[in-house]
Amino acid sequence: DGGITQSPKYLFRKEGQNVTLSCEQNLNHDAMYWYRQDPGQGLRLIYYSQIVNDFQKGDIAEGYSVSREKKESFPLTVTSAQKNPTAFYLCASSRVREAFFGQGTRLTVV
Amino acid sequence: LAKTTQPISMDSYEGQEVNITCSHNNIATNDYITWYQQFPSQGPRFIIQGYKTKVTNEVASLFIPADRKSSTLSLPRVSLSDTAVYYCLVGEVYNQGGKLIFGQGTELSVKP
Repeated sequence: DGGITQSPKYLFRKEGQNVTLSCEQNLNHDAMYWYRQDPGQGLRLIYYSQIVNDFQKGDIAEGYSVSREKKESFPLTVTSAQKNPTAFYLCASSRVREAFFGQGTRLTVV
Repeated sequence: LAKTTQPISMDSYEGQEVNITCSHNNIATNDYITWYQQFPSQGPRFIIQGYKTKVTNEVASLFIPADRKSSTLSLPRVSLSDTAVYYCLVGEVYNQGGKLIFGQGTELSVKP
């Protein structure tokens, strides 16, 4: 089945540690996105990529980094510089007018 | 992407028709209107999309007036399982520099 896979579903991190969230798609989409969602809030764009080896900052990129070495993969690293990383993270890919989302990763800093 | 405005929340009862309106005054000629549905702890999923007049599928209807400055998502005879957040997006990703921006959405609560 085609779709987007995010892993892990739940992730716990100690303060001061970097952690990488995985996002893989087999939809052959060029565009991929990372969003953050806090309780009761909408989705906020962290980074997006329109093509391999290229990506742009979204509205809340500070404390995050990404790479796009393959079309299928768009991993997100939450660095120790992110002051409040506990949140629900969603990855998406899109064709021209429709986005497809993964099931999300819930990150908790302990 | 054109800025959108939706109600923050709405309440309904099972069996009722629910209409959620989205305002998008600066919609561009090439923009489409797309609605997504999000359940708790899941990613949003595409519901319906339209350009003008009316679009209907097995889940919902989308009404777009001639001036296209607003749109209304209509959910017929809602059930408890329709409780979710609904997002209205306006634009065409590749023509907007690649960004795909979601607003606050409308939190729909369906009661028995």
